[in-house]
Amino acid sequence: SYALTQPPSVSVAPGKTARITCGGNNVGSKSVHWYQHKSGQAPVLVISYNRDRPSEIPARFSGSNSGNTATLTISRVEAGDEADYYCQVWDTRSDHVVFGGGTKLTVL
Amino acid sequence: QVQLQESGPGLVRPSQTLSLTCTVSGDSITRGAYYWSWIRQSPGKGLDWIAYIYHSGTTYYNPSLKGRVTSTVDTSKNQFSLKLNSVTATDTAVYYCARVKISASLHFDNWGQGTLVTVSS
Repeated sequence: SYALTQPPSVSVAPGKTARITCGGNNVGSKSVHWYQHKSGQAPVLVISYNRDRPSEIPARFSGSNSGNTATLTISRVEAGDEADYYCQVWDTRSDHVVFGGGTKLTVL
Repeated sequence: QVQLQESGPGLVRPSQTLSLTCTVSGDSITRGAYYWSWIRQSPGKGLDWIAYIYHSGTTYYNPSLKGRVTSTVDTSKNQFSLKLNSVTATDTAVYYCARVKISASLHFDNWGQGTLVTVSS
């Protein structure tokens, strides 16, 4: 079955740029979606289709996808961005949903 | 604005059946543009997709749970449900229901707040 790999943690200072990767075999041929999950809250979709941002999500959030790696980039990181971030794809061959293991973003 | 709310027992005995319901408001579950899904997060672990269902009753299940899981929809109540049988402590998790946008690539555009289910005697 298809698998997505994320680093367990990423740390960044306020005002800097955070990059969270999501690795998968030829993931560039798939559409990757990203979710922000703060403790005790519902997950929130922050990026769909590799780079599309819902209107309520700040422009500081962006995404890219090529080759074997998709990347979520958060510019000018704020304390409120501290959360777990998950990538997700839909495996069209099996009609199954696949999540990455999640990355904990720590704002120093 | 669509809202989803999970409900059900917070404690289930081992070997029994976990039953949860998701009530949808602000949208009709029969609107053809969406599936409706269950996802869980075990303590200290990541998100794990369980199932998604269409209003017609068509279902897709995570193969790791297949045989133990059933999802149904009640269009008259605008609800969908999850049953997981023969539970063990490893089924202890926060269970979320979510709306799934049907498009070129399925993704979850709205989530419930989640409900903690503990499996313990």
